[in-house]
Amino acid sequence: GESVGLHLPTLSVQEGDNSIINCAYSNSASDYFIWYKQESGKGPQFIIDIRSNMDKRQGQRVTVLLNKTVKHLSLQIAATQPGDSAVYFCAENNAFGNEKLTFGTGTRLTIIP
Amino acid sequence: DAGVTQSPTHLIKTRGQQVTLRCSPISGHKSVSWYQQVLGQGPQFIFQYYEKEERGRGNFPDRFSARQFPNYSSELNVNALLLGDSALYLCASSPGGGEKLFFGSGTQLSVL
Repeated sequence: GESVGLHLPTLSVQEGDNSIINCAYSNSASDYFIWYKQESGKGPQFIIDIRSNMDKRQGQRVTVLLNKTVKHLSLQIAATQPGDSAVYFCAENNAFGNEKLTFGTGTRLTIIP
Repeated sequence: DAGVTQSPTHLIKTRGQQVTLRCSPISGHKSVSWYQQVLGQGPQFIFQYYEKEERGRGNFPDRFSARQFPNYSSELNVNALLLGDSALYLCASSPGGGEKLFFGSGTQLSVL
């Protein structure tokens, strides 16, 4: 069945270090992926997205890598800051134009000062 | 520019009651989607509306309904509330191409 899963439910990283959050998906037909950040009491905040015809995409301090061979997605955050502490979700969509995103359960990232 | 706005922010209802949640999308966005987020889990898709037409529906009972207005704002209605309907209800908007969904802060619904 279709699912999006995360390898680790929690991740603690020293401030200033880089962090990597991983995500596995099972639907090979998925063609669009998004990473969201959700802070307590707020809605998910768009971070970065990537289409299946790309392997890598960079934003400000963030990089998303997509490995279609093993159906794996990762979010790299460079030089983490206390404000990066949040729950991070990956989401996938396999129907262009349809906005039925399938979310994973999330990874809680904690930045240690 | 204002982001996606939702009202109310918090709501307390009792079992059997009905509730209406409201959402205003980002200016220029024609698509609105609704998601339910239970504590500790990722959001689950409920509905998508584009140009006032239902484009998608998730695995939710018929007690859940929605509509989109000419100004692209949207309402989510839930009838005959159950305790299990307690959750954060999120609205997301996009230009309509299936990309870059932007979420509001949600309505926290508590059913007692």
